[in-house]
Amino acid sequence: ETGVTQSPTHLIKTRGQQVTLRCSSQSGHNTVSWYQQALGQGPQFIFQYYREEENGRGNFPPRFSGLQFPNYSSELNVNALELDDSALYLCASSPQTDRANTEAFFGQGTRLTVV
Amino acid sequence: AQTVTQSQPEMSVQEAETVTLSCTYDTSENNYYLFWYKQPPSRQMILVIRQEAYKQQNATENRFSVNFQKAAKSFSLKISDSQLGDTAMYFCAFMGYNTDKLIFGTGTRLQVFP
Repeated sequence: ETGVTQSPTHLIKTRGQQVTLRCSSQSGHNTVSWYQQALGQGPQFIFQYYREEENGRGNFPPRFSGLQFPNYSSELNVNALELDDSALYLCASSPQTDRANTEAFFGQGTRLTVV
Repeated sequence: AQTVTQSQPEMSVQEAETVTLSCTYDTSENNYYLFWYKQPPSRQMILVIRQEAYKQQNATENRFSVNFQKAAKSFSLKISDSQLGDTAMYFCAFMGYNTDKLIFGTGTRLQVFP
């Protein structure tokens, strides 16, 4: 166990709806990254939050948005869900204190199914 | 743009034997990090081993070792004395020196047979 928890573990939504996924980072970690893992693929970077500010974004449309709270937990919001949004969403936290410490600790993910 | 390629979708090995998983990458950077992650059916990504590009010595972690060939942009993972618990998806990943974004390959599914 890494100490990174995600909720819910599974979720089914209808196309066009909105969804919020949650992540609690490991204690002492101030950076949270979100990844989308489609079936049979490697994870794709969505964005990263560092001290409550977005700190880098991958090739995802604006309907993917996020938040980071003062306790460093984070939310991923997806609006206007599409069928292709069905995937495993992974959250990873890291301390980001200096370049020597680059290990990211992953949660178990949220499996989102859009029907 | 950086890319990571894993050309072996599936591999199998008998318990106690050795298996090598391949990974190649493309980057114009000189300093970067490379990783192997394990993803068991529980879905949680677990770091197996990490290599800093500026270190010539290959990283080792118990039964896991890498063969890092910087000029060839190759980063293979060797698992010695394979165990049933090693059965999982294995992902190779790249991280640039000035970023915390991981770029993953498509993964290799490893099955360890008794």
